[in-house]
Amino acid sequence: RKEVEQDPGPFNVPEGATVAFNCTYSNSASQSFFWYRQDCRKEPKLLMSVYSSGNEDGRFTAQLNRASQYISLLIRDSKLSDSATYLCVFSPYGGSQGNLIFGKGTKLSVKP
Amino acid sequence: DGGITQSPKYLFRKEGQNVTLSCEQNLNHDAMYWYRQDPGQGLRLIYYSQIVNDFQKGDIAEGYSVSREKKESFPLTVTSAQKNPTAFYLCASRLTQNTEAFFGQGTRLTVV
Repeated sequence: RKEVEQDPGPFNVPEGATVAFNCTYSNSASQSFFWYRQDCRKEPKLLMSVYSSGNEDGRFTAQLNRASQYISLLIRDSKLSDSATYLCVFSPYGGSQGNLIFGKGTKLSVKP
Repeated sequence: DGGITQSPKYLFRKEGQNVTLSCEQNLNHDAMYWYRQDPGQGLRLIYYSQIVNDFQKGDIAEGYSVSREKKESFPLTVTSAQKNPTAFYLCASRLTQNTEAFFGQGTRLTVV
């Protein structure tokens, strides 16, 4: 099983739609989880951290399911400006990646 | 303003040349990272450093070298041994292994 798996998409949705992404991880000792957003030809930027109890920031909701080893991101009322690639990132104990593992990203395209 | 700065934004290299990419942060972060991103691909770790005067190879360190003489600075040298250096290079830093990473704006390197 790969360390992290994300559906690459693309997810093509109309404005106003609700869309959800999942990201599975294999290291059960992982302790910190994040969602990043990356626009074309730009650097990744933190969208939100993911907490055990789940957390919400405006139209965005992140959840963590430790038992099934995945995190999710829900975007409500999609805007054209939400079009980007969404990267899941987690921080396991130990490992050879400096304690930071990136998914390859899920591409979202919001259409008028 | 605190942040992480990469320079230059665009860099052109002739075959056989070494080039150095700059990464400076004033966030007082201990850990710093270099990633490479190819078109349509995820981030791949080149090198990381968790403390001054110490650094570790990532998955694709061959043909690259780094130094960490100061906490604020983590320059990356792309040597002539790197056969396919054209890519988008991203530098990141983080405070601890539990916190989010912050990225510089990236350097786009092209071999001419």
